[in-house]
Amino acid sequence: DAGITQSPRHKVTETGTPVTLRCHQTENHRYMYWYRQDPGHGLRLIHYSYGVKDTDKGEVSDGYSVSRSKTEDFLLTLESATSSQTSVYFCAISLAGGPAGDTQYFGPGTRLTVL
Amino acid sequence: AQSVSQHNHHVILSEAASLELGCNYSYGGTVNLFWYVQYPGQHLQLLLKYFSGDPLVKGIKGFEAEFIKSKFSFNLRKPSVQWSDTAEYFCAVKATSGTYKYIFGTGTRLKVLA
Repeated sequence: DAGITQSPRHKVTETGTPVTLRCHQTENHRYMYWYRQDPGHGLRLIHYSYGVKDTDKGEVSDGYSVSRSKTEDFLLTLESATSSQTSVYFCAISLAGGPAGDTQYFGPGTRLTVL
Repeated sequence: AQSVSQHNHHVILSEAASLELGCNYSYGGTVNLFWYVQYPGQHLQLLLKYFSGDPLVKGIKGFEAEFIKSKFSFNLRKPSVQWSDTAEYFCAVKATSGTYKYIFGTGTRLKVLA
């Protein structure tokens, strides 16, 4: 599973509060991703990172920001949570450039509920 | 822009039936293709992938997929499904150059009846 952990695994919060989700990897991979999963939409990319301090937006980035100050950690922040951000959030890493090529591996997910 | 279509949203099969799930993508260049499986309450796990070479790829748990370049398709197959194959299946595509992004289909929910 490429040593990916996510924290917290479950969170309930109130509308308007900031929330930070953490993705941690142990194997020094360069590429990291945040997705949200919603019924009928599959996985949608929020933000991704291609190196320390190098990030870019995905297709559903509004209301989210990210930071990557160390290779192993990729943080996703909901600046002011809304009910539409209730979702399951998955972190992924890509083994780009290695023997496995461009294969993504996923973390266990964080279930976020915004009341 | 790249996109991925999975035409079957829900599939119900009896055990031992054969399975074929459709996946079509839109992109004119060279791509890497993936199928992932998500069991209830779990994260996505890689079933199989295609990078180059033989267009018929075999994955875990008896799954296989065939890349047909002329049809922009990468359909997933299994000759005989089991109850334990009940899950959601996602097709994904990544261009081999110019992007770090992976595009996922909306998924197919498979239910296998014992």
